[in-house]
Amino acid sequence: AQSVTQPDIHITVSEGASLELRCNYSYGATPYLFWYVQSPGQGLQLLLKYFSGDTLVQGIKGFEAEFKRSQSSFNLRKPSVHWSDAAEYFCAVGADRGSTLGRLYFGRGTQLTVWP
Amino acid sequence: DTGVSQDPRHKITKRGQNVTFRCDPISEHNRLYWYRQTLGQGPEFLTYFQNEAQLEKSRLLSDRFSAERPKGSFSTLEIQRTEQGDSAMYLCASSLRGEQFFGPGTRLTVL
Repeated sequence: AQSVTQPDIHITVSEGASLELRCNYSYGATPYLFWYVQSPGQGLQLLLKYFSGDTLVQGIKGFEAEFKRSQSSFNLRKPSVHWSDAAEYFCAVGADRGSTLGRLYFGRGTQLTVWP
Repeated sequence: DTGVSQDPRHKITKRGQNVTFRCDPISEHNRLYWYRQTLGQGPEFLTYFQNEAQLEKSRLLSDRFSAERPKGSFSTLEIQRTEQGDSAMYLCASSLRGEQFFGPGTRLTVL
């Protein structure tokens, strides 16, 4: 069965510190992987995606993620966190259905708090 | 603004009433998705359309839920005889290929 696990429900870091949010997935086919960010009361904004090719992908706002097939992981990283990064982060997995993606499976999210 | 829009943003209703939400996708996107998100959880897939055809429905979509996309453009999600357990954020997303772009959501509160 398809699933996404985000083992950390809540992470607190100091502004300027590095960040790593963990994501593990279970998927029967070749996965397409995503990280989204959600601010309170808002929809989801795409940070980055992995479809194929280079396993280290760059996204917006200085985020990057590395796909490790052997570990079924797609961890999100940022070298220096800003206070505005405080939000909830969701990892998602999907698969190609013809020319476009089908449904996405989301993890339960990791809430990031940033201390000044 | 050419993003995904949803209306209303908030809806408060009494148990047993019917509610309808609207989603307007990005204009050239042929796929439209509905998800439901409850507090402390990630979004859960409900259904999706390619153009006007509804291609997949989750078992979460009970008989009280119906979705339409009559002309392959905007979509509506109707919940009949609402229950308190229907209280959630209902998210719409659209795509052309690849990533899905999400709207701001409709927050439903059932009293």
